[in-house]
Amino acid sequence: DTGVSQDPRHKITKRGQNVTFRCDPISEHNRLYWYRQTLGQGPEFLTYFQNEAQLEKSRLLSDRFSAERPKGSFSTLEIQRTEQGDSAMYLCASSLAMGERGYTFGSGTRLTVV
Amino acid sequence: DAKTTQPPSMDCAEGRAANLPCNHSTISGNEYVYWYRQIHSQGPQYIIHGLKNNETNEMASLIITEDRKSSTLILPHATLRDTAVYYCIVRGMNYGGSQGNLIFGKGTKLSVKP
Repeated sequence: DTGVSQDPRHKITKRGQNVTFRCDPISEHNRLYWYRQTLGQGPEFLTYFQNEAQLEKSRLLSDRFSAERPKGSFSTLEIQRTEQGDSAMYLCASSLAMGERGYTFGSGTRLTVV
Repeated sequence: DAKTTQPPSMDCAEGRAANLPCNHSTISGNEYVYWYRQIHSQGPQYIIHGLKNNETNEMASLIITEDRKSSTLILPHATLRDTAVYYCIVRGMNYGGSQGNLIFGKGTKLSVKP
């Protein structure tokens, strides 16, 4: 297993366009998390899944954001009608539901809205 | 909000020990102390965690005070590759909900200098 994979690494889009990011977690991890990080700040929690169930959404996740994990494996994060304020690094992480070990993060998708 | 306080930045000479402090005066009995680091343009990387005993692994040592209100991450022989932002996080073991999620602050930017 090569860890958590995110695609694409970079995305430049025009304001108002829709974008979709993909995350492939570590195969045996049943939890998957999405975070957003802006320059100079720590990552901010957006949402997480246990298997295919979305168990929690942050108030940061506006109606324009939607995340799915249809078969409990990979996940997608879609942003509709992008705004310049959506420019950020979007990070995905995975973990086991039980146990003390921390999360394994991917390298992120950097979104720039122009 | 993050429940930890860290200095915004620190310098360390290459080959010397880097001691990164963290205050978590409101930590509760079932919360662990986790340390992650984030090298520029990468996702956060798990370093170490502990409850009340000191811990050591191949990356670092974690010293937690007896009252658990503060801790220190020690990188015994810092190298240039250890230059990163280091995050101290307290996390409960309740996996059902936000208590189990990692909440990041701004961390400490460690600069290792030759």
